[in-house]
Amino acid sequence: DTGVSQDPRHKITKRGQNVTFRCDPISEHNRLYWYRQTLGQGPEFLTYFQNEAQLEKSRLLSDRFSAERPKGSFSTLEIQRTEQGDSAMYLCASSFPPDRNHNEQFFGPGTRLTVL
Amino acid sequence: KQEVTQIPAALSVPEGENLVLNCSFTDSAIYNLQWFRQDPGKGLTSLLLIQSSQREQTSGRLNASLDKSSGRSTLYIAASQPGDSATYLCAFINTGTASKLTFGTGTRLQVTL
Repeated sequence: DTGVSQDPRHKITKRGQNVTFRCDPISEHNRLYWYRQTLGQGPEFLTYFQNEAQLEKSRLLSDRFSAERPKGSFSTLEIQRTEQGDSAMYLCASSFPPDRNHNEQFFGPGTRLTVL
Repeated sequence: KQEVTQIPAALSVPEGENLVLNCSFTDSAIYNLQWFRQDPGKGLTSLLLIQSSQREQTSGRLNASLDKSSGRSTLYIAASQPGDSATYLCAFINTGTASKLTFGTGTRLQVTL
């Protein structure tokens, strides 16, 4: 499978715990994006990387959230001190830069987080 | 700030019917537009991408159009099938950022036998 992969697919945690999600993009893509989707809504942008560099962060990304892409390949999204409002589907996407393939984004299956 | 609206929020049609899903947006500075399909509890599957300079794209039974002057995009599905049942999302990248997608809330489609 050469698509975007995410791990785990489901995570149930208690409020106050820390969680970490992983995303492996399509191997040739140098851009990687994180989005969050709550029930009945469209995904909302959180942050994105070009290679190792984190180029933009949404105001939705509070200081409890941190994302890394240390070697320009896979990325991790960590949520510290989880709250019930963090319950959502966390989606990862990847793309080429805009000058190649017009920044068409391809999504992974998502990680469903439930905070009890 | 780009706002994206999808109407209707839900739609039920009998198998074989042709249908149109609508997406409207407020900022015409569009870099590109993507239509996605999302099955319940799953990720997003890219269906079509329309570049800013294009007016439409076709893939099989799907045709998407873009009219920046009116702030509208439509997704036309011909000869609908039960397997088309899913939520359809439109999303835009603005020219200024050329990066993040701004999504509508989606249209939930059910195609009945």
